[in-house]
Amino acid sequence: QKEVEQNSGPLSVPEGAIASLNCTYSDRGSQSFFWYRQYSGKSPELIMSIYSNGDKEDGRFTAQLNKASQYVSLLIRDSQPSDSATYLCAVSDPTGNQFYFGTGTSLTVIP
Amino acid sequence: DADVTQTPRNRITKTGKRIMLECSQTKGHDRMYWYRQDPGLGLRLIYYSFDVKDINKGEISDGYSVSRQAQAKFSLSLESAIPNQTALYFCATSDWGTGSTDTQYFGPGTRLTVL
Repeated sequence: QKEVEQNSGPLSVPEGAIASLNCTYSDRGSQSFFWYRQYSGKSPELIMSIYSNGDKEDGRFTAQLNKASQYVSLLIRDSQPSDSATYLCAVSDPTGNQFYFGTGTSLTVIP
Repeated sequence: DADVTQTPRNRITKTGKRIMLECSQTKGHDRMYWYRQDPGLGLRLIYYSFDVKDINKGEISDGYSVSRQAQAKFSLSLESAIPNQTALYFCATSDWGTGSTDTQYFGPGTRLTVL
């Protein structure tokens, strides 16, 4: 069983819509959760980190964490064509020493 | 200037050759990581280091070795490259421990092709 699971997509949404990206993880002891954005051929860059159950908002982005369900999601409001990228979910192990990444969800925002 | 740099950015080599990928950072972070990324498999951890004397194997360390020459430098070596080591390699750094300081910052990547 993979540590971190994501739907690979592709996910397509029209410009201005809400994009919803989902991730599940297997280790109940995980404490830190991250969403990274990766443009083709580029390195991952952090969008959001979340450590507690509930929602965390930063601009157009909202991360949601439910540790009981072992589920973390990312909502992108007012999606823009520049949001078109692959979104990687990452989860730390319980010690915080290692990080496990999902395979990523490809998002396309259609103008 | 970039906080995390990797050299070379692209490398083509032949089976059996020894290859070294280098990573340098100016972020002052203690923790450094090497990942490889393959289509459909995501990012997988090869090795990680918490300081010069603390090096640990990750998920896929076989066929690789590392050296932490200084706090700012972490090198990855392929002693005898094989074609299935063809991948995009990323170096990353992070600040200490769990909580809000464990964000990872990635270098630009090295695209390695083993023929």
